[in-house]
Amino acid sequence: AQKVTQAQTEISVVEKEDVTLDCVYETRDTTYYLFWYKQPPSGELVFLIRRNSFDEQNEISGRYSWNFQKSTSSFNFTITASQVVDSAVYFCALRVSSEYGNKLVFGAGTILRVKS
Amino acid sequence: NAGVTQTPKFRILKIGQSMTLQCTQDMNHNYMYWYRQDPGMGLKLIYYSVGAGITDKGEVPNGYNVSRSTTEDFPLRLELAAPSQTSVYFCASSPSGGGYEQYFGPGTRLTVT
Repeated sequence: AQKVTQAQTEISVVEKEDVTLDCVYETRDTTYYLFWYKQPPSGELVFLIRRNSFDEQNEISGRYSWNFQKSTSSFNFTITASQVVDSAVYFCALRVSSEYGNKLVFGAGTILRVKS
Repeated sequence: NAGVTQTPKFRILKIGQSMTLQCTQDMNHNYMYWYRQDPGMGLKLIYYSVGAGITDKGEVPNGYNVSRSTTEDFPLRLELAAPSQTSVYFCASSPSGGGYEQYFGPGTRLTVT
């Protein structure tokens, strides 16, 4: 199966707390790509990061960081010093190959609520 | 550069009616996609296209049809609307099927009553 599991349905934190969103994937592809998207209350989908299977280097972008571990098939996302504006639904996605091309498979999403 | 645009933003349909959701991108992307997002759920792929004239089914294609006559446009047709098709529909595009991220439109909120 080629799928993405986001086991955390909803997380609530208080502002300035650190929070980690989990993402576990399954794929039969040897080359694959993983993505994180953010969906704020306004509803649009915002791309956050892309990672390919050859690059296990962790990445930091401001308050955001990503931990990619092939050994555990995980691509976790950490927000440091969370802010109310981080409240959103976060989706992890996996690019899978198919007969006619490639497509994204999304996890069910994690709702993050940051309270002031 | 408008990116991915979708029309309409909102629509209410009666059961059995038909409609077309429009999607246009101005980034000259080969790949285009249609997703639906049900309340509190992730996105499910309905159809996708890897170029003009080529389309393929995703996870949930039943009740929908697509066509891709140009690079820019990828309309989604609903025939005989049913309450189960009440959802938010997102169109997306990407330069290719490689590691590129998908760029999403703002969505169309459809209610079938």
